[in-house]
Order: sequence, then structure tokens, then C-alpha cells
Amino acid sequence: DAGVTQSPTHLIKTRGQQVTLRCSPISGHKSVSWYQQVLGQGPQFIFQYYEKEERGRGNFPDRFSARQFPNYSSELNVNALLLGDSALYLCASSLAGGGDTQYFGPGTRLTVL
Amino acid sequence: AQSVTQLGSHVSVSEGALVLLRCNYSSSVPPYLFWYVQYPNQGLQLLLKYTTGATLVKGINGFEAEFKKSETSFHLTKPSAHMSDAAEYFCAVSEANSGYSTLTFGKGTMLLVSP
Repeated sequence: DAGVTQSPTHLIKTRGQQVTLRCSPISGHKSVSWYQQVLGQGPQFIFQYYEKEERGRGNFPDRFSARQFPNYSSELNVNALLLGDSALYLCASSLAGGGDTQYFGPGTRLTVL
Repeated sequence: AQSVTQLGSHVSVSEGALVLLRCNYSSSVPPYLFWYVQYPNQGLQLLLKYTTGATLVKGINGFEAEFKKSETSFHLTKPSAHMSDAAEYFCAVSEANSGYSTLTFGKGTMLLVSP
């Protein structure tokens, strides 16, 4: 079975631009979470979606937004990019959220110049 | 609020030696605890998890961890290190919160294995 997939693998943007990252969960999983991992740190929670509804949001500015589609795939959007947004963005899927185990994709490496 | 502290940003061992990576957590409700491993330029792979029941949890690649409530710890061990174990290891805690649960990670411990 395919694991969590993310696209693109790498992305280079300049300050002020907008970016969209994509994630496809494991088949049968209905919950998707997004995390930001800055170099040298552990991942930080950004959003969790379940059945197309936002369940939770971490301490990130409104420049960050996300959505989940009927097929449970998800997009993360970041507007007005800052240098500090450079990070590995990880998507994780789980059966239904709650205490279910989260399985991570390979991530998208975003570099903001 | 939940939090995780991983003692030691880097741990060095020789091949064949015991691996011990330390994790302490803080949680206002009974926690779920996880260890993930991250190889360079890759995502996170689940090593093992504790939810309820037996406090000694066995995971993949010969790793195990013991949940000690009195010490709020969940240390990761492996009896004999292998070169392929060199990677970054993250401890994480989750708790149910308003119908959903997120993972809170520690800062990670880089395991270096020398021949």
C-alpha cells in the first residue's frame, strides 16, 4: 500500500510570494495534519483536518491556511512568504484523528530567498 | 498543555553498544507517547508507541521504550547499536483535546554510531 505522498519535493520561492503544498493520505485515512519542521528543531503542529473540517490549529499566523478535499487529500497554503517560513513541511495522515497514530510523508522542503 | 524534553541533542555510541535516548514529558491527561526516527532528507518513521496497557513497548529494528508514569519518562533503548541506526530520533506526546489530538515533539536527539 502507498504511504503518505507529498508534492512537490522541493520548492524555492522569494519573499512575498505564495505557495501551495499538496498531500495525499494513506488509503482509508480520513484525517490529515500539517507540521512545520525548521532546521534543527522538532516538527510543530500547524493544522489538523478531519472529514474536510478543520479540527485544530497551531500557533501560526493567518498567512497559513489549509483545506481538505472530498477524497481526503489536502493542501497547505502560505501567503506573503517570509524568510522564516523556510522549513520542511510534513503531512501526516491517520484513520480518524483523536489518539490515532499519525503516519508521515517525506515532506516538502521550502526555501524562501 | 503538553511538552516533551529530550535530554542531549547528540548521543554518540560505538557499534554494538547500548543505545539510550532520554525523553521526559508533561501532560495534564494520560498521554499517548511515540518515538519517531528521521533519516537525512526524509520524513518521520514510527518506531513505537505507548497508549495503554503494558508499559514496556517493543518497536521496529530492535528498539523498545518503557513508560514510567512516576518519572514522566519514556526512554528509548536498543541493546546493540548498528551503523544503520544513525539518524535523528524524536519523542512525541499526544492527548485528546476537544475531539482531536495533535503531536507535540521534542527537539530531537541525533544518534551517531561509530565503528
